[in-house]
Amino acid sequence: KAGVTQTPRYLIKTRGQQVTLSCSPISGHRSVSWYQQTPGQGLQFLFEYFSETQRNKGNFPGRFSGRQFSNSRSEMNVSTLELGDSALYLCASSLVGKDSGNTIYFGEGSWLTVV
Amino acid sequence: GNSVTQMEGPVTLSEEAFLTINCTYTATGYPSLFWYVQYPGEGLQLLLKATKADDKGSNKGFEATYRKETTSFHLEKGSVQVSDSAVYFCALSDRGKLIFGQGTELSVKP
Repeated sequence: KAGVTQTPRYLIKTRGQQVTLSCSPISGHRSVSWYQQTPGQGLQFLFEYFSETQRNKGNFPGRFSGRQFSNSRSEMNVSTLELGDSALYLCASSLVGKDSGNTIYFGEGSWLTVV
Repeated sequence: GNSVTQMEGPVTLSEEAFLTINCTYTATGYPSLFWYVQYPGEGLQLLLKATKADDKGSNKGFEATYRKETTSFHLEKGSVQVSDSAVYFCALSDRGKLIFGQGTELSVKP
């Protein structure tokens, strides 16, 4: 069974540009969430989608957005990139996503460098 | 709000030494608890989990017990290997999202 797949793995963008990251969840998983990992702030929750609806959102500015498609695949977008957006962006999926003990599985991540 | 606190790293051990990485949490209710491991340049891999008090999660020689009375979920392994060198994250589930500790880097020397 394929795991969570993220593309691209590595990318470099310039300040002010925008970026779109893609995520394919494990087959059958309907909940997709995104996390940002930086050396200074650690792992922080961005948002979670379930059945194409954003169900939960972390404390990030509106420049960070996402969406989920009918096949559960998800994208996240960051507009007007800042140097501080340089991070590893991790996508995760789970069967349901609620506090039922369902495990959340992570992809390998997309490494974004903003220059 | 809910939070997770892990012991500071880095932790450096010799091969075959005993490992403990402390993790305590603050939460309303009884969240599920997880340990994830991150090898250099990779994403997070689930190591083990526990969903209720007194549950013991175990995998690849690692163990952790959900202790409600001390709000702890310490990670242990009886004999570490060089291949266990990685960053370990303790996490709790909170309404569909994970709240992570700051991570503990483990380095195992031959």
